[in-house]
Amino acid sequence: AQRVTQPEKLLSVFKGAPVELKCNYSYSGSPELFWYVQYSRQRLQLLLRHISRESIKGFTADLNKGETSFHLKKPFAQEEDSAMYYCALTDGQNFVFGPGTRLSVLP
Amino acid sequence: SAVISQKPSRDICQRGTSLTIQCQVDSQVTMMFWYRQQPGQSLTLIATANQGSEATYESGFVIDKFPISRPNLTFSTLTVSNMSPEDSSIYLCSVVQNEAFFGQGTRLTVV
Repeated sequence: AQRVTQPEKLLSVFKGAPVELKCNYSYSGSPELFWYVQYSRQRLQLLLRHISRESIKGFTADLNKGETSFHLKKPFAQEEDSAMYYCALTDGQNFVFGPGTRLSVLP
Repeated sequence: SAVISQKPSRDICQRGTSLTIQCQVDSQVTMMFWYRQQPGQSLTLIATANQGSEATYESGFVIDKFPISRPNLTFSTLTVSNMSPEDSSIYLCSVVQNEAFFGQGTRLTVV
């Protein structure tokens, strides 16, 4: 069965500090992984996807099939990064979302 | 990309009543998804709405409580029936076109 876990419910870091939001998954096939973000009072939106291999807003995520992980990283956190982050995987039709991690970047 | 309009954006309802949430997509999609999101928590899939057939409900959700309509490929409704305070939540509709797109959500408070 497909499953996505995010061990941290809340992560607080100071502005300028590195941040890593953890995501692990279980999936029998070849997964496509995503990170979604929800800023305060905004709709859930795509942040990045593993197949694009790009950096969005300074965030990157590398798919590690050996560790079945897709951790989200940013070297220097900004206050505007404070939001709810969801890791997700898809089999091409259905999406499975992790429980989410609330990132709080302190001034 | 898909643009989804969802309404109402919020409502406060009396227990025992029903609320119908509408979701309009700017393109034709085969499947539309309805989620529930408790504030600050994860998304729970309620059901998948296919045009021309009955919706498929996830474990813990039943048609009598959450009837869904899907009259065409761009529109769907979710009704929350016989509401109780436990139904207070954010309800989201979503479509998938290479990635998942979401409506802005309906914040429901049942008093």
